Amino acid sequence: EPEVTQTPSHQVTQMGQEVILRCVPISNHLYFYWYRQILGQKVEFLVSFYNNEISEKSEIFDDQFSVERPDGSNFTLKIRSTKLEDSAMYFCASGQGIGAFFGQGTRLTVV
Amino acid sequence: RKEVEQDPGPFNVPEGATVAFNCTYSNSASQSFFWYRQDCRKEPKLLMSVYSSGNEDGRFTAQLNRASQYISLLIRDSKLSDSATYLCVGGPPTSGTYKYIFGTGTRLKVLA
Repeated sequence: EPEVTQTPSHQVTQMGQEVILRCVPISNHLYFYWYRQILGQKVEFLVSFYNNEISEKSEIFDDQFSVERPDGSNFTLKIRSTKLEDSAMYFCASGQGIGAFFGQGTRLTVV
Repeated sequence: RKEVEQDPGPFNVPEGATVAFNCTYSNSASQSFFWYRQDCRKEPKLLMSVYSSGNEDGRFTAQLNRASQYISLLIRDSKLSDSATYLCVGGPPTSGTYKYIFGTGTRLKVLA
């Protein structure tokens, strides 16, 4: 069964450093998403991507964040100058319009 | 008002019980709805889509009431493995948005 894969599963970084979270969406999907979930809290929308551009982003997704689809298969989330409050589980998802399918997540810990 | 609201629970039920979760949404333009299941520290997994006509998948039944902006999930004959958090989700198209909006989730514990 096709699935969304994310790497790494866990990333520890120092405050102020840049991190890149990687995702390989399901191959025939057209819509891509990043979500985050702070421990004990709800799943929060960050950004959606369609037709090689951002289609929508939340207030959380400020200039510190960027997304890219560099080669037609990978989908990355870059966080510049990480802050302690960026510590969370980051989920990538992809879909065809009827539900979104999530990867297993990257746990980001900023120290 | 939150876009998707759920009772956080926890709902503690014995094995074999029937349990129902409810969810309300605030955006009347939302057109698609889903139930997801999330195990502790895991990703959300799509459980089922929700339609006005109601839909059933084995022990699970989902229902949408657009007039009341209300979504339900019924689980019959609960199993220990049903213990998880159930997430109510509003999906696109939602007034031209391209996002899935998650509720806070309802925690279910099925007890032996």
